[in-house]
Amino acid sequence: AQSVSQHNHHVILSEAASLELGCNYSYGGTVNLFWYVQYPGQHLQLLLKYFSGDPLVKGIKGFEAEFIKSKFSFNLRKPSVQWSDTAEYFCAVNALISNFGNEKLTFGTGTRLTIIP
Amino acid sequence: DGGITQSPKYLFRKEGQNVTLSCEQNLNHDAMYWYRQDPGQGLRLIYYSQIVNDFQKGDIAEGYSVSREKKESFPLTVTSAQKNPTAFYLCASGEELRGTDTQYFGPGTRLTVL
Repeated sequence: AQSVSQHNHHVILSEAASLELGCNYSYGGTVNLFWYVQYPGQHLQLLLKYFSGDPLVKGIKGFEAEFIKSKFSFNLRKPSVQWSDTAEYFCAVNALISNFGNEKLTFGTGTRLTIIP
Repeated sequence: DGGITQSPKYLFRKEGQNVTLSCEQNLNHDAMYWYRQDPGQGLRLIYYSQIVNDFQKGDIAEGYSVSREKKESFPLTVTSAQKNPTAFYLCASGEELRGTDTQYFGPGTRLTVL
């Protein structure tokens, strides 16, 4: 079974600091990768996703993530964070196990990000 | 406004009672999902449905049941057989049951068993 690891449970940064949140997955085949974000009081929403092509994908609000197949990683980055980036971030993986795909997402445990003004 | 609604926002029940959580979407999506979110455990899939009158168990289906009689509705019943039902429940939908699809989430229902 596929699994997703987010080793940073809670990250605290000052505004303008650079951010990198780790995400590693266990499945060795073809994968679709997602980052979702849950801002305080808001719905969980898509930040960015990768399923083919350029392994460096850009999302909303200046976030980007790089798919490194050899490292089974899909880390999320932002060069300069803002107070409004305070949220919980979830990495998710969909592994293509059969010709018809595996339609289930497996989520990581989440990383709570707190930005200090 | 297009989106997913879940009701109620907060729900309290006594042990031994069944309770049904509502999920409605007006996005015309075929696929719908139920997740459970617990602190430190992320989201875990309970049930999902690709189309009306069809649904599949997810990773933690024991003690839960669902129905999909209409495209826009996917209610979840938490039965008395669920050993630890206190949690935050999230409903989601997607255009199709396809691995590259974005899932759109509702605001959630927080269930507390007293």
